[in-house]
Amino acid sequence: ETGVTQSPTHLIKTRGQQVTLRCSSQSGHNTVSWYQQALGQGPQFIFQYYREEENGRGNFPPRFSGLQFPNYSSELNVNALELDDSALYLCASSSALNYGYTFGSGTRLTVV
Amino acid sequence: LAKTTQPISMDSYEGQEVNITCSHNNIATNDYITWYQQFPSQGPRFIIQGYKTKVTNEVASLFIPADRKSSTLSLPRVSLSDTAVYYCLVGDIPPGKLIFGQGTELSVKP
Repeated sequence: ETGVTQSPTHLIKTRGQQVTLRCSSQSGHNTVSWYQQALGQGPQFIFQYYREEENGRGNFPPRFSGLQFPNYSSELNVNALELDDSALYLCASSSALNYGYTFGSGTRLTVV
Repeated sequence: LAKTTQPISMDSYEGQEVNITCSHNNIATNDYITWYQQFPSQGPRFIIQGYKTKVTNEVASLFIPADRKSSTLSLPRVSLSDTAVYYCLVGDIPPGKLIFGQGTELSVKP
């Protein structure tokens, strides 16, 4: 049991469309991060939220944006989808007391 | 953040002990070493974390020499279900962003 739930599990979108991916973290986990994992590669950090504020961002353009809510849920929004956005998107949460992140099983996004 | 280097792939057989070594020459004083395991189409799973010497839990052991420039993840008596990609990461606690390399793809054969 992972404790972090992501939805949907799979999604197909057309180039140029917008997508919203959702994540429900464990209770008490006030830090959430999003990662993009292309096939055969390690996960790449997109951004991190702490207590509903963005507090770190990786090398991703502004069309990647996020929100974190008081109920420990969060969203990743991607505008103007490109073919290269096809990947597994992972949500990970942590509390300040934890030494490691708990990852969800991810959302497989395919852009056609 | 310190860069890590690990073998791209390793093969083993059921029942053997597997040791995966990770190099992190530029590790900082405040950095911890963390290992994650990832199965296909799943998120990475935290295995073990350490700062120096040896750490052991119910899943694995982590050996860190005095200079901390490398570390070794030891998996005792592997089974087919240990076939996965293993990532070595180095960074501060509490965790900020995690920097993943390509990881080591471990294949356990019968």
